[in-house]
Amino acid sequence: GENVEQHPSTLSVQEGDSAVIKCTYSDSASNYFPWYKQELGKRPQLIIDIRSNVGEKKDQRIAVTLNKTAKHFSLHITETQPEDSAVYFCAATPTGTASKLTFGTGTRLQVTF
Amino acid sequence: NAGVTQTPKFQVLKTGQSMTLQCAQDMNHEYMSWYRQDPGMGLRLIHYSVGAGITDQGEVPNGYNVSRSTTEDFPLRLLSAAPSQTSVYFCASNGGVSETQYFGPGTRLLVL
Repeated sequence: GENVEQHPSTLSVQEGDSAVIKCTYSDSASNYFPWYKQELGKRPQLIIDIRSNVGEKKDQRIAVTLNKTAKHFSLHITETQPEDSAVYFCAATPTGTASKLTFGTGTRLQVTF
Repeated sequence: NAGVTQTPKFQVLKTGQSMTLQCAQDMNHEYMSWYRQDPGMGLRLIHYSVGAGITDQGEVPNGYNVSRSTTEDFPLRLLSAAPSQTSVYFCASNGGVSETQYFGPGTRLLVL
């Protein structure tokens, strides 16, 4: 089955700086890669996703890049704000849908003043 | 729309007891999934369903049963609870290939 590794496990940045979280996956058939944000005590929420036919996708301050050859994908957050502080999870699936996801172990992002 | 709802919010069980975690969605989504979340391990898929009457196992199915008799409901059953099943359980649903997956608020389960 699929195996997703996520780094770093914790990340501290100053407000206004950029943050990058990286994930690698093992199954070359994986074709859908979502990212979720989870605030303390809350449910995970989708913030951006990318499919295997696209190399990069951007939504305001958030972007995701995908390198299929190397089997890794990354989340980039620019101009970080305190409200970006949360745990971020990457995930992958070969099904093309969000119904059978393998998640990474999460990155706790702390944005400090 | 209420979205994805889960009951109960919190439950304490004794080893060997059984219970059902309820999950319902009112978005007419075909796909529904159950995950458990443990510290340092992210979310792990227990079971999922691609439509009424169709279920399949995920990464950690042992000790759990599911059924999908209607589009709206996807209950998760623990037949004989064990301390290793202490976790936070999330139900999720999505409408199809290009649809966002929505999570329920979670059920926190403690097995003593």
